[in-house]
Amino acid sequence: AQSVTQLDSQVPVFEEAPVELRCNYSSSVSVYLFWYVQYPNQGLQLLLKYLSGSTLVKGINGFEAEFNKSQTSFHLRKPSVHISDTAEYFCAVSDPDFGNEKLTFGTGTRLTIIP
Amino acid sequence: DAGVTQSPTHLIKTRGQQVTLRCSPKSGHDTVSWYQQALGQGPQFIFQYYEEEERQRGNFPDRFSGHQFPNYSSELNVNALLLGDSALYLCASSEARGRGGQETQYFGPGTRLLVL
Repeated sequence: AQSVTQLDSQVPVFEEAPVELRCNYSSSVSVYLFWYVQYPNQGLQLLLKYLSGSTLVKGINGFEAEFNKSQTSFHLRKPSVHISDTAEYFCAVSDPDFGNEKLTFGTGTRLTIIP
Repeated sequence: DAGVTQSPTHLIKTRGQQVTLRCSPKSGHDTVSWYQQALGQGPQFIFQYYEEEERQRGNFPDRFSGHQFPNYSSELNVNALLLGDSALYLCASSEARGRGGQETQYFGPGTRLLVL
């Protein structure tokens, strides 16, 4: 069974500083990987996804993530954060052999931007 | 282009009651998935509907059931509500893989259910 571990439950960062949100997954097969963002009292918005090809994936709002198969990681990065980036971030994995089947999510990382 | 919509936005029920939540998928999408997000947790997969049939199910009891209509909209029904069913219920839609769809699920804003 697949699982996702988000190593940090909370990450405080000063405005305009860089940030990295860590995600590790456990799977014996190939995977699709996703990062979603959830703003307060809202649903989930897709930031970026890795399906195949280049291991460096660029998403919306200046975020990017790098797929590292040997370390089974998919860490999310942004070189300079803004107050508006304050939100909960979820890493998720799905099994490509089953297509649009279930997403397995991590427990989330709450990113707080300090002015 | 309307995204995924859900109704109602909020709901309060008492233990033992039954509830129905509704979801309309994004235009062009024919697959609907439901997730439960408890406070402070990541979403947990409940089940997925395609061609009006349940295609895959997560680890949820039979009290949780669903339906998909010919227009691809969907309902989630929960019977005999428990306090622990209090959560944000998220609907996600996607395009079926066999039709060349992308492997991306788009989420609605959710229905927040409180069971007293």
